[in-house]
Amino acid sequence: EAQVTQNPRYLITVTGKKLTVTCSQNMNHEYMSWYRQDPGLGLRQIYYSMNVEVTDKGDVPEGYKVSRKEKRNFPLILESPSPNQTSLYFCASSPGQGRSSYNEQFFGPGTRLTVL
Amino acid sequence: AQSVTQLGSHVSVSEGALVLLRCNYSSSVPPYLFWYVQYPNQGLQLLLKYTSAATLVKGINGFEAEFKKSETSFHLTKPSAHMSDAAEYFCAVTGGFKTIFGAGTRLFVKA
Repeated sequence: EAQVTQNPRYLITVTGKKLTVTCSQNMNHEYMSWYRQDPGLGLRQIYYSMNVEVTDKGDVPEGYKVSRKEKRNFPLILESPSPNQTSLYFCASSPGQGRSSYNEQFFGPGTRLTVL
Repeated sequence: AQSVTQLGSHVSVSEGALVLLRCNYSSSVPPYLFWYVQYPNQGLQLLLKYTSAATLVKGINGFEAEFKKSETSFHLTKPSAHMSDAAEYFCAVTGGFKTIFGAGTRLFVKA
């Protein structure tokens, strides 16, 4: 089944404790992206990746890191989480952006993160 | 720069009534526009998209949207609401590698 998977689905942690949220897609998509969803703000793009080893900042990158060493995986890293990073996080993938930005994105099920 | 405005954070309709969810955008380049739906505790899934082929776009579950360049709008409609349409709906604009989402409109359907 074609899908985007995220782990963990739920996470409660404490301020300053490094964490990684994994994202994997099995559709051979070039483009992957991370979003956070907060009430009243919709989804805001954190980082995106156009292909392996190519990443760039979205609108809210502060406090986050990403890497794209393999096409299928795009982990989101919070080196020192703070309470204002409590949110619902979504990973998404797409066949391609830029030259084909008309392609829709396929979303994972979400990761609900609470930072105490 | 691109932006999306969804008018109305909550919309309530009766079952069988017309659904109208409003979306206005701004874009410095020809936009690609999308509507996504999010059911409770799920990720987003595509309803429909505008890619300049036709201004009236039909999507899944009986939804459609019309691209109006003069009004910079891409409103979502459905002639007759069903209880299963209750969800949150997001309008999004893509240009280049970035995607901008609206704040979302939660649709309530009354029996």
